[in-house]
Amino acid sequence: DIQMTQSPSSLSGSVGDRITISCRASQTIYNYLNWYQQKPGRAPTLLIYAASTLQSGVPTRFSGSGFGTDFTLTITSLQPDDFATYYCQQSSTTHRSFGPGTKVDI
Amino acid sequence: QVQVVESGGGVVQPGRSLRLSCAASGFRFSDYGMHWVRQAPGKGLEWVSYISYDGINQYYADSVRGRFTISRDNSKNTLYLQMNSLRPEDTALYYCAKNRGYGDYEPFDYWGQGTVVTVSS
Repeated sequence: DIQMTQSPSSLSGSVGDRITISCRASQTIYNYLNWYQQKPGRAPTLLIYAASTLQSGVPTRFSGSGFGTDFTLTITSLQPDDFATYYCQQSSTTHRSFGPGTKVDI
Repeated sequence: QVQVVESGGGVVQPGRSLRLSCAASGFRFSDYGMHWVRQAPGKGLEWVSYISYDGINQYYADSVRGRFTISRDNSKNTLYLQMNSLRPEDTALYYCAKNRGYGDYEPFDYWGQGTVVTVSS
């Protein structure tokens, strides 16, 4: 199975900051990489799929990049609503796997 | 609007069984693959199982293979997860999630709110 790692595991930011979260796959997943946001007590929501495509309704301050094994989620100007945990997920195989998550707090 | 609503969770003793359901509405259920994902208290997301749109193909995480069975009834727009030989480490919030597109390699665009399974003596 494909293992996913994320860094950092947590980060502290301020409103207006630009932040970057990294995700790495244990083998190539081409561009089958998705990002989810989860707030406490809520189900995850899809932010970005296919490494860089913004899901409908997601603000354009979110962006994704990468191909193969290394990927990045960027939030260009952190907003109060963005404080949450972010997970990457590979969908290159029928056996999905998630990264361990990155908690973004104030 | 698209909705998926899980039910069937509860407290169960180790070694016992439980069946979860996920009722879908607002989309053509029979066109989409569906997944179960779980989240242990205070932990991250763990993919559990996937079933193709027609129910023919099922896939499982190593941690549940041989104990859990995923199924679906497209006439009832419902997804199921039969969980046997439950262990304390199966304690989690169980989500059902819908594939975004028609293929097998899609992200999950809709999630339910989850149903809690607690395995404890």
